[in-house]
Amino acid sequence: KAGVTQTPRYLIKTRGQQVTLSCSPISGHRSVSWYQQTPGQGLQFLFEYFSETQRNKGNFPGRFSGRQFSNSRSEMNVSTLELGDSALYLCASSENSGSSYEQYFGPGTRLTVT
Amino acid sequence: GESVGLHLPTLSVQEGDNSIINCAYSNSASDYFIWYKQESGKGPQFIIDIRSNMDKRQGQRVTVLLNKTVKHLSLQIAATQPGDSAVYFCAENMSGSARQLTFGSGTQLTVLP
Repeated sequence: KAGVTQTPRYLIKTRGQQVTLSCSPISGHRSVSWYQQTPGQGLQFLFEYFSETQRNKGNFPGRFSGRQFSNSRSEMNVSTLELGDSALYLCASSENSGSSYEQYFGPGTRLTVT
Repeated sequence: GESVGLHLPTLSVQEGDNSIINCAYSNSASDYFIWYKQESGKGPQFIIDIRSNMDKRQGQRVTVLLNKTVKHLSLQIAATQPGDSAVYFCAENMSGSARQLTFGSGTQLTVLP
């Protein structure tokens, strides 16, 4: 099976702009989670989507949002970008069967805000 | 759990030696734990997981030990190889419907030739 794919891999934006990142999960995986990784804060959970619904949300401002489509692909959006939003954004997918909690990560999108 | 202003613990081992990476988790209600390996420029790669009803689980060259009494996880890598050089993270999750991992700060493992 193909792994989790994320596009674009690199992105440079200016403060105040908005950005949309895309994630395609492993085939058959219905849960998609997003994480932000920075040197200062490490890996932090943003939100999780399952069956097109946000099931869980981390402690991030409302500028961070996401959605999931019927084919399980997911997008996340960050509006009014700030310098502190520069990070590696990681997407992870999971089968979400009763006993499976394994999450598989994509390579990430490196966002730089200038 | 996480900390502000992370300093990454480091571990250097000789090639062929065994490595032990430790992790303290934060939530006593967590019942599922995973170790990930992250190489530079890549996303975290799943290594091994363990549920709270176990105290030990073995994989290929890796063993995870769980001590719920002191909320401690360890990852043992046998016969460490240069390709094992990476940052290693432990992560915890509470069972139920949600998939939300809480990550530790990570340990940088360097394998010396």
